[in-house]
Amino acid sequence: GAVVSQHPSRVICKSGTSVKIECRSLDFQATTMFWYRQFPKQSLMLMATSNEGSKATYEQGVEKDKFLINHASLTLSTLTVTSAHPEDSSFYICSASLAGGRTDTQYFGPGTRLTVL
Amino acid sequence: AQKVTQAQTEISVVEKEDVTLDCVYETRDTTYYLFWYKQPPSGELVFLIRRNSFDEQNEISGRYSWNFQKSTSSFNFTITASQVVDSAVYFCALRHYNQGGKLIFGQGTELSVKP
Repeated sequence: GAVVSQHPSRVICKSGTSVKIECRSLDFQATTMFWYRQFPKQSLMLMATSNEGSKATYEQGVEKDKFLINHASLTLSTLTVTSAHPEDSSFYICSASLAGGRTDTQYFGPGTRLTVL
Repeated sequence: AQKVTQAQTEISVVEKEDVTLDCVYETRDTTYYLFWYKQPPSGELVFLIRRNSFDEQNEISGRYSWNFQKSTSSFNFTITASQVVDSAVYFCALRHYNQGGKLIFGQGTELSVKP
């Protein structure tokens, strides 16, 4: 149980294009999903917290207009990197809390490696 | 402020050796949770353990054991008789009870187990 998937696993795009990454909880409902970014050899940095049916909460320094998050259902959250540039190249990982955010463990997806040319 | 420090950036051991990964945290909160995750080369984070601040009992799961000591704000992780498959980056993380599940990660320790 507690499986989280991400799609695509790897994407290469041209500078200026937009890329959408999906995060799904496969066998449970997640009222809260999280989006992280990880640069090579570095730790995970939380970008935003996504709550089903409401606007995402972004961390300081994360541009909400550049990283659009939609949490349309209890099993799906999407991250859209708009007008991507080479500096957006990174490993993006989502996680989902089993049954709701306060005390429960976050389970992580396999990540999406984005390369912007 | 909340912070997690994993002072060991890289550790290299030979198979069958025991290895301890250190984790020191800072928080002013009385209720919090500590986690360890494993990130193999594939990139996916694998949940290993969660410990709440009121439970200082050490835990053992197979070759893995965890030592939680509030007095020193540490939550160390020991792998006994390490194996090549244990090679990965290990992250310690902290979460406050009332901050919507936000995880604060340490910098990670890259463990390399050589045959």
